[in-house]
Amino acid sequence: DTGVSQNPRHKITKRGQNVTFRCDPISEHNRLYWYRQTLGQGPEFLTYFQNEAQLEKSRLLSDRFSAERPKGSFSTLEIQRTEQGDSAMYLCASSLTPGPRGNTIYFGEGSWLTVV
Amino acid sequence: DQQVKQNSPSLSVQEGRISILNCDYTNSMFDYFLWYKKYPAEGPTFLISISSIKDKNEDGRFTVFLNKSAKHLSLHIVPSQPGDSAVYFCAAKGFQKLVFGTGTRLLVSP
Repeated sequence: DTGVSQNPRHKITKRGQNVTFRCDPISEHNRLYWYRQTLGQGPEFLTYFQNEAQLEKSRLLSDRFSAERPKGSFSTLEIQRTEQGDSAMYLCASSLTPGPRGNTIYFGEGSWLTVV
Repeated sequence: DQQVKQNSPSLSVQEGRISILNCDYTNSMFDYFLWYKKYPAEGPTFLISISSIKDKNEDGRFTVFLNKSAKHLSLHIVPSQPGDSAVYFCAAKGFQKLVFGTGTRLLVSP
């Protein structure tokens, strides 16, 4: 399977614990995105990387959230001191650099987070 | 401020008929539009897209129409099949990222 891969697919954690999600993008894609989706809403942008550089962060990404893409390949999204409001599906996506072949963004299957 | 709107939360269609899903946007800087299909507990699956310089793109049973002057796009599925039942998201690309609508749940009944 050469699509975007995310793990774990499901995570249940107690409030106050830290969680980390991993994303492996499509191999030739240099852009990597993180989105969050809650029930009844469309995916909301969190942040994106061009290779290893994090180029933009949404205001939704509080100080408790940190994302990295250390070698320009896989990425991690860490949430510290989780709160119940962090319960959502975290979606990773990747694409080529925007252009004739890079306008389509492909999503992984998502990582469900439930904070209890 | 909802820049991409899907005003119909749900749509029911009979198998074999046409499904038309609508999307409106407010930002004229969007240069690319995409439709995604989503099943519960899965990530969005890319369906079809259209550049802002075109007004129609077709791929099999799926056709997307773009009316730039009205800032409106629509997805036509014909003929509709029960397997098309899912939530459909319209997304607009601008400023290096996608902005999504809230989705329309399509139910195709046999």
